[in-house]
Amino acid sequence: GENVEQHPSTLSVQEGDSAVIKCTYSDSASNYFPWYKQELGKRPQLIIDIRSNVGEKKDQRIAVTLNKTAKHFSLHITETQPEDSAVYFCAAYGNTGKLIFGQGTTLQVKP
Amino acid sequence: DTAVSQTPKYLVTQMGNDKSIKCEQNLGHDTMYWYKQDSKKFLKIMFSYNNKELIINETVPNRFSPKSPDKAHLNLHINSLELGDSAVYFCASSPTRGGAGELFFGEGSRLTVL
Repeated sequence: GENVEQHPSTLSVQEGDSAVIKCTYSDSASNYFPWYKQELGKRPQLIIDIRSNVGEKKDQRIAVTLNKTAKHFSLHITETQPEDSAVYFCAAYGNTGKLIFGQGTTLQVKP
Repeated sequence: DTAVSQTPKYLVTQMGNDKSIKCEQNLGHDTMYWYKQDSKKFLKIMFSYNNKELIINETVPNRFSPKSPDKAHLNLHINSLELGDSAVYFCASSPTRGGAGELFFGEGSRLTVL
């Protein structure tokens, strides 16, 4: 079945540095790739998404890139701030008709 | 005016008991979901309903039974609770079937089985 692998599981950066989280997916028919942010004790919330007809998408300090050939997509956060500290989930939607989540990355931004 | 609301937020109960979690959305979405988030934070889909019809039914024990009385409500009933059922259960809704669009999550219901 569809599988989404996410790395790293934890990431610690200094405030102002960049953070990159990577995901790979197994279903080549996957066509929708969202990223969710979950702050401690809160609900997951969509921060950015990309569809398979686009290679890159930016929204202020966050960007997502997609490599369909390699079945790989990444989240990039620039100029990190302490409020970026959270768990980030990638996900992929494809032939299964379900949104499959990665295992999550705990990002810590140190002031 | 909460978009997706679920009750109760916390549930502490003994093994063997039966419990229910309720979910309501006022976004006008046709599709609703139940996700389970375990202690390792992994988000796993359990069920999905589209306009009261069950469209996703993952491999979960049949002690878990969802019910959708109308497209704005999706409840989860759990029989004979086990220790391994302890988790946070998230309800969600989306305007698109299956999850090919934004999911709007509720605040979660933390279930602790003693």
